[in-house]
Amino acid sequence: AQSVSQHNHHVILSEAASLELGCNYSYGGTVNLFWYVQYPGQHLQLLLKYFSGDPLVKGIKGFEAEFIKSKFSFNLRKPSVQWSDTAEYFCAVNQGNQAGTALIFGKGTTLSVSS
Amino acid sequence: DSGVTQTPKHLITATGQRVTLRCSPRSGDLSVYWYQQSLDQGLQFLIQYYNGEERAKGNILERFSAQQFPDLHSELNLSSLELGDSALYFCASSTRDRSYEQYFGPGTRLTVT
Repeated sequence: AQSVSQHNHHVILSEAASLELGCNYSYGGTVNLFWYVQYPGQHLQLLLKYFSGDPLVKGIKGFEAEFIKSKFSFNLRKPSVQWSDTAEYFCAVNQGNQAGTALIFGKGTTLSVSS
Repeated sequence: DSGVTQTPKHLITATGQRVTLRCSPRSGDLSVYWYQQSLDQGLQFLIQYYNGEERAKGNILERFSAQQFPDLHSELNLSSLELGDSALYFCASSTRDRSYEQYFGPGTRLTVT
């Protein structure tokens, strides 16, 4: 069965620090990869997604992620975080080339940014 | 605002009771997914409907059921509720059957006392 691992449970950073959140998945076939963000009290919002092509994808709010197939990884990065980035971040995967399959989520990483 | 609506926002009920959660997908979206978010289990897929038909099942208990109506809204029915069913229940929708992007609603927070 597919699974997603997020290595960091809670990350604490100061404003302007760089961010990297790890995500690894287990599935041997074609996958689609996503990062979602959940701000306090709000619903999940899509940050970025990877389906195919350039393994470096750029999303909203200055986030980017790199798909490394050989490492089964899809790490999220941001060069300089802001206080407003405080939120929970979820990595998710579903099977590629399959119609409308459900997302498998990681446990999430809580990011706290101090000003 | 994702365009997916869910009602109610909050629900408090007692053990043994039955509740119904409602979801309206984005206009034009045919697929509806239900997810449960709890502290111990994280975000888990429950069930998917596509254009009125059940498409896939995840970790959904037998006490739970869902349906999608002709107008494409969906309802998740939870019965014989237990304390452990307290969670945030999200609905998501996606466009064509092969669309990979899912848009999430604001969720319904269920508290079972």
